[in-house]
Amino acid sequence: GDSVTQMEGPVTLSEEAFLTINCTYTATGYPSLFWYVQYPGEGLQLLLKATKADDKGSNKGFEATYRKETTSFHLEKGSVQVSDSAVYFCALSDQVTDKLIFGTGTRLQVFP
Amino acid sequence: DAGVTQSPTHLIKTRGQQVTLRCSPKSGHDTVSWYQQALGQGPQFIFQYYEEEERQRGNFPDRFSGHQFPNYSSELNVNALLLGDSALYLCASSRDRGYEQYFGPGTRLTVT
Repeated sequence: GDSVTQMEGPVTLSEEAFLTINCTYTATGYPSLFWYVQYPGEGLQLLLKATKADDKGSNKGFEATYRKETTSFHLEKGSVQVSDSAVYFCALSDQVTDKLIFGTGTRLQVFP
Repeated sequence: DAGVTQSPTHLIKTRGQQVTLRCSPKSGHDTVSWYQQALGQGPQFIFQYYEEEERQRGNFPDRFSGHQFPNYSSELNVNALLLGDSALYLCASSRDRGYEQYFGPGTRLTVT
């Protein structure tokens, strides 16, 4: 079945450092890809999405490009802030059923 | 415009008991999905409701059941609670299939 694999955390960075969180997927069709963020004690917020190959999703300085050839959707940010500390989930949307399939999440800790 | 709301926020139950969780979707949304997020894991799809019918279901036992009301709000019922049912239960709503899913803050269920 479809699945998502993310790099394990925690990822620990200093403020203004460059961030990459790796995500790869397995899917039989052409899924949409998402990054969600979860702040402590809260639900999930959609960070960005891409619906087809070579699309780039971006929001709040975060970017991810849908790479069909490498089945990847890596999350990047040029300069992280302490307020970016959270758990980040990569997910795909099943093309037929619309259900979201999530990775296990990557905790990001940013220190001043 | 209120987002997705869930109640209660926290719940403690004893093994073998039954529990009902509630969700009110975002205004204008008619589709509700439920997810279970165990500690340190990504959310797992339980089922989705549309037009008061269960449209699709994940790999969860029949102890997990749901309902959608004419006003699109939804309930998740879990019978014969097990310790392993302890998790954060997330509700997500959308404008039918193919549209972005918005998540509520979740209900934290602890089974002792």
